[in-house]
Amino acid sequence: KAGVTQTPRYLIKTRGQQVTLSCSPISGHRSVSWYQQTPGQGLQFLFEYFSETQRNKGNFPGRFSGRQFSNSRSEMNVSTLELGDSALYLCASSGGITGGTDTQYFGPGTRLTVL
Amino acid sequence: SQQGEEDPQALSIQEGENATMNCSYKTSINNLQWYRQNSGRGLVHLILIRSNEREKHSGRLRVTLDTSKKSSSLLITASRAADTASYFCATGLYNTDKLIFGTGTRLQVFP
Repeated sequence: KAGVTQTPRYLIKTRGQQVTLSCSPISGHRSVSWYQQTPGQGLQFLFEYFSETQRNKGNFPGRFSGRQFSNSRSEMNVSTLELGDSALYLCASSGGITGGTDTQYFGPGTRLTVL
Repeated sequence: SQQGEEDPQALSIQEGENATMNCSYKTSINNLQWYRQNSGRGLVHLILIRSNEREKHSGRLRVTLDTSKKSSSLLITASRAADTASYFCATGLYNTDKLIFGTGTRLQVFP
């Protein structure tokens, strides 16, 4: 099976812009989670989707949003970018029934730089 | 603050030595997982231990879980230079679908 893919791999934006990141999970996986990784805050949980429904959300402002499509592909959107949004954004999929707390299979990440 | 705190933050050893990393957490869990991350890349799942298990092995990896102390340890035996990476514990929170990662341990194995 192909692994989790994320596009784009690298992105440079300026403050105030918005960005959409895409994640394609492993075939058959219905749970997709998103994480933000920064040197200062570490790995922070953003949200988790299961069968097109957001089941859990981390402590991020409303500028961070996501969605999942019927084929389990997921997108996350960040509006009104701030310098502090510069991070590695990781997507992970899981095939278990529990979803978010099962073994996660991570994509390579999208490196977002906000100037 | 983070659910999982790892200790030490950084560890340097020689090839062939054993490496031990510890993880402490705060709330009830369904399971605890360990992941490895090579320099700025995606994470790779290493091992999952359920809350009713005390010890688990996978190749050169040994994980223990003490739910009374809310702590876990990861032992890598006979370390290799290729084990150089950051290691994270992640707790599957009880009664939720959240997996919360710890702060990580940076392991450097010198040839």
